[in-house]
Amino acid sequence: EPEVTQTPSHQVTQMGQEVILRCVPISNHLYFYWYRQILGQKVEFLVSFYNNEISEKSEIFDDQFSVERPDGSNFTLKIRSTKLEDSAMYFCASSAPGGSGNTIYFGEGSWLTVV
Amino acid sequence: AQSVTQLDSQVPVFEEAPVELRCNYSSSVSVYLFWYVQYPNQGLQLLLKYLSGSTLVKGINGFEAEFNKSQTSFHLRKPSVHISDTAEYFCAVRAGIQGAQKLVFGQGTRLTINP
Repeated sequence: EPEVTQTPSHQVTQMGQEVILRCVPISNHLYFYWYRQILGQKVEFLVSFYNNEISEKSEIFDDQFSVERPDGSNFTLKIRSTKLEDSAMYFCASSAPGGSGNTIYFGEGSWLTVV
Repeated sequence: AQSVTQLDSQVPVFEEAPVELRCNYSSSVSVYLFWYVQYPNQGLQLLLKYLSGSTLVKGINGFEAEFNKSQTSFHLRKPSVHISDTAEYFCAVRAGIQGAQKLVFGQGTRLTINP
């Protein structure tokens, strides 16, 4: 079964450093997302991306965050200058065209620890 | 705006007992409802979804959920649980007709199965 893959699975970084989290969405999907889950809390929406531009972003997704689809397969989340509170599990997700009823498929997550 | 409330943060159950995980949602438009499961150290996996039609939805691993519009609920049930069902369960709502509509998650319910 096709799946969303994410790298790295775990990254430790120093406060103030830039981090890039990478994702390979399912190949025929056109909608891409990043979600975040701080330890012990609920999964929160960060951003959705379609047709090479951001469709929607949450209040969390400030100027420190950016997303990019640099080629036909990868989808990246960049955090420009990490803060302690950015420590969380980051999930990439994708869905097929055809409406909101289509399932959003999640990757295994990238666990980011900022020290 | 959409929101989801999962009324129980933790549910301990004995093996082979029935279980119900409660979920209430709030939305001003037509909704699509989802239950995701997160096994320890893994990503989010879709259990089942309600889009339209029959209000009783069957999913994977013997789970089912019932959509109740008048009570704005989408409770998840399983008649007999197994140790392997130990996981975090998230209810989510998705609204709108555009394909990039985000999921809004509840706080999650940690299901613990005791032998």
